[in-house]
Amino acid sequence: GNSVTQMEGPVTLSEEAFLTINCTYTATGYPSLFWYVQYPGEGLQLLLKATKADDKGSNKGFEATYRKETTSFHLEKGSVQVSDSAVYFCALSSVTGGGNKLTFGTGTQLKVEL
Amino acid sequence: NAGVTQTPKFQVLKTGQSMTLQCAQDMNHEYMSWYRQDPGMGLRLIHYSVGAGITDQGEVPNGYNVSRSTTEDFPLRLLSAAPSQTSVYFCASTGTLDNEQFFGPGTRLTVL
Repeated sequence: GNSVTQMEGPVTLSEEAFLTINCTYTATGYPSLFWYVQYPGEGLQLLLKATKADDKGSNKGFEATYRKETTSFHLEKGSVQVSDSAVYFCALSSVTGGGNKLTFGTGTQLKVEL
Repeated sequence: NAGVTQTPKFQVLKTGQSMTLQCAQDMNHEYMSWYRQDPGMGLRLIHYSVGAGITDQGEVPNGYNVSRSTTEDFPLRLLSAAPSQTSVYFCASTGTLDNEQFFGPGTRLTVL
């Protein structure tokens, strides 16, 4: 079956540091890949996505590239801010029965300090 | 558009009680789903629906029932709550553009 593996958290960084959160996946076929972000007390919001190999998703300074050869979709940001503190989820979608199902990683908590 | 709404925001139940978690969306999405979020386990799919009148089980369906009588609403029922169902529950609906899922704000449920 499909699965997503994320690096364990929490990750604690100083403001303006470089961020990488690793994500690897196992899936049949050609899934779409997503990063979702969850701020404290809120639901999940889509951060970025990539629908095919070598696509790069980007949003709010975050980037991730769909690497089929390494089955990875690592999240990066060049300079984090305190406001980026949140839990980040990597996910993949598989189409089934006319709809799509998301398989999530366990989430990585990011804390950014001044 | 309100997007995806969920009620209640918080709920405390005693073991054996029943309740319904409400979910509604105003985006005319066909696909809706329910997840539970537990520490260290990410989000796990409980049930999903590909359209009015059609539902199916996800990864962890035991103890939960769903129905989909309209496109807008997708309630989740706990018939006899158990402490193992203490969790945060999220409803989501899927748009047709790149299959993006839109999440509600969640319901935090505690079963004593």
